Formats: sequence, C-alpha cells, structure tokens
Amino acid sequence: GAGVSQSPSNKVTEKGKDVELRCDPISGHTALYWYRQRLGQGLEFLIYFQGNSAPDKSGLPSDRFSAERTGESVSTLTIQRTQQEDSAVYLCASSLSAGAYEQYFGPGTRLTVT
Amino acid sequence: QQQVKQSPQSLIVQKGGISIINCAYENTAFDYFPWYQQFPGKGPALLIAIRPDVSEKKEGRFTISFNKSAKQFSLHIMDSQPGDSATYFCAASKQAGGGNKLTFGTGTQLKVEL
Repeated sequence: GAGVSQSPSNKVTEKGKDVELRCDPISGHTALYWYRQRLGQGLEFLIYFQGNSAPDKSGLPSDRFSAERTGESVSTLTIQRTQQEDSAVYLCASSLSAGAYEQYFGPGTRLTVT
Repeated sequence: QQQVKQSPQSLIVQKGGISIINCAYENTAFDYFPWYQQFPGKGPALLIAIRPDVSEKKEGRFTISFNKSAKQFSLHIMDSQPGDSATYFCAASKQAGGGNKLTFGTGTQLKVEL
C-alpha cells in the first residue's frame, strides 16, 4: 500500500535552467493533481489529469510550466527557464477517480532557484 | 482573489485545551470542505472533511462545524496534544467538468505546549 511518491525530494537549480519533477500516484488512482506551495502560504492548484482526457491546465502560472502524464501512471512537471519566484514546494496528489473528493498527497519536491 | 480565508495565522494552546481554527469562503458553489494536517517536510494529510448538507462532523477529537448561511466553517481539536502541533489548512472545492480542484486557505501553525 504505497502512497504517492515524488522525486527528487529536493532540487537546487540555477536561474534559467530547466527542471523536471516526477510524481508516482497511488496504484489504481486515475486522477492526479499538481499543486504549488510557496513559503508560508497555502497550496495553489496547477494542473489536473484524469485518465486519457485532456488535462485541466487552468492553474499553470505561465507557459514555462508544462506537465505530462502517460495513461494512469507517472506524471512529470517541467519548468523551463526557471526564475527565482518558481522556488516553492511542488506537491502531487492522486485520487481514486474524477468523482472522488479525497486527495492523497505526496511529500513534495522542494525547488530552490538560485 | 482569495476565495478561502483562514485564521488565525498561528495558535498556541495548552495541552488538554481546545484548538479552534476558522475559515470563510466566498464561492457558494463549493460542495466539499476538507481540513488537512501538515508536518514539516511532509505532504498534507487529509484529517476530516464535510459536505454542506450537514452542520457538524466529528471524528475522534476532531470536529468540523459548518455554517452555510455565513459561509464559514471551523475545525475544533479537543484535548489538544503536543503531537497535534502542525500546520492546518482548510480547503474547499466543487465538482466541475470532472476533477476536484482544491482551493486552500493560507494555513494555521498550531503549537500545543505542555
């Protein structure tokens, strides 16, 4: 009964570099969400995947952010040309289905852009 | 526009006391109101949740009180323990076109002192 896993746990990158963050949802969970948590703030929704449907990208802050998910498995969040304001904890959550309310979060990836 | 407002920002309670955290929301379409508990370095964990058709839900020492007309809900932690020291987030969501995007409050840092 593994939970949601994310890698890496910490990432330090230089401004302008691209980064890729990975999320492994709970097995059997078809819905997957990415959120961003800035220091001392609540979580902000970024993007949502459900099965093979088109993702809901309404929370992505700029076109430097993109995400992919293959079927109902792993998802990657990519940030291109990172900026200092991208520094945050990026959290992934999965849910049993699109209609399920409960979301289960991974431990997050702490991204620091220097 | 902050759709979920949470207070207080921080809270210190004596062991055995009652911790109360309040949230107010603006969007009357929200139909699910969870509370998450987050320990340092960990992802948020679902603590308790309520739907708007009930005014109160209790699970062990944790109770959600919900006031639909006032658009407010609160978390009560009875007999608070040092192990309850964590950051608590309220959230709200509505099912719309699939998915369950959570809108979070800004969090409350709870410290329970001996």
